[in-house]
Amino acid sequence: DQQVKQNSPSLSVQEGRISILNCDYTNSMFDYFLWYKKYPAEGPTFLISISSIKDKNEDGRFTVFLNKSAKHLSLHIVPSQPGDSAVYFCAASEGNNDMRFGAGTRLTVKP
Amino acid sequence: KAGVTQTPRYLIKTRGQQVTLSCSPISGHRSVSWYQQTPGQGLQFLFEYFSETQRNKGNFPGRFSGRQFSNSRSEMNVSTLELGDSALYLCASSFFREGGNEQFFGPGTRLTVL
Repeated sequence: DQQVKQNSPSLSVQEGRISILNCDYTNSMFDYFLWYKKYPAEGPTFLISISSIKDKNEDGRFTVFLNKSAKHLSLHIVPSQPGDSAVYFCAASEGNNDMRFGAGTRLTVKP
Repeated sequence: KAGVTQTPRYLIKTRGQQVTLSCSPISGHRSVSWYQQTPGQGLQFLFEYFSETQRNKGNFPGRFSGRQFSNSRSEMNVSTLELGDSALYLCASSFFREGGNEQFFGPGTRLTVL
């Protein structure tokens, strides 16, 4: 039961452009959403989060948007840099219940 | 602060064997979660321990078990290994707070079952 879905397995963008990674969820009880970045041979690292009381959270080049009515969130990276090339996982949780992850999107930023 | 550590980093076993993986959380973190990562499946939640008690459990067979010690270190055990158990096993720790919290992941243990 995939409650968190990332429908794009890969995304390729040019350096300096915007990267938009999308994530959909089915459980309306989720109230906390996160994005993680994963490099090969390393564990995922926390990138940015948003609680359901907000619709936007920004941290430097990274912005997460939450659309609760559409059960959709997205991560925007502006401007994209080659070092951003990694697999990005979307995750969601309800309170302190277990966190559900999407399958990941591999982002490639070309110089 | 030292990060989450997992041992061993790589493991090769054969079908039918059992395996024990270890995780040491960040100091002060009392919650430890385990995940299985396979290509195309993302991170599948196995279980979470908090203060030595299993608080949440994913949809995995009983061959997968875990425990947490009083120092918050956790172990995961898989018995009667199957080829499909080959995966990267990730441990994550977090500091409990209301309203949700980010998890800090270890580098993982790459298990190969032959």
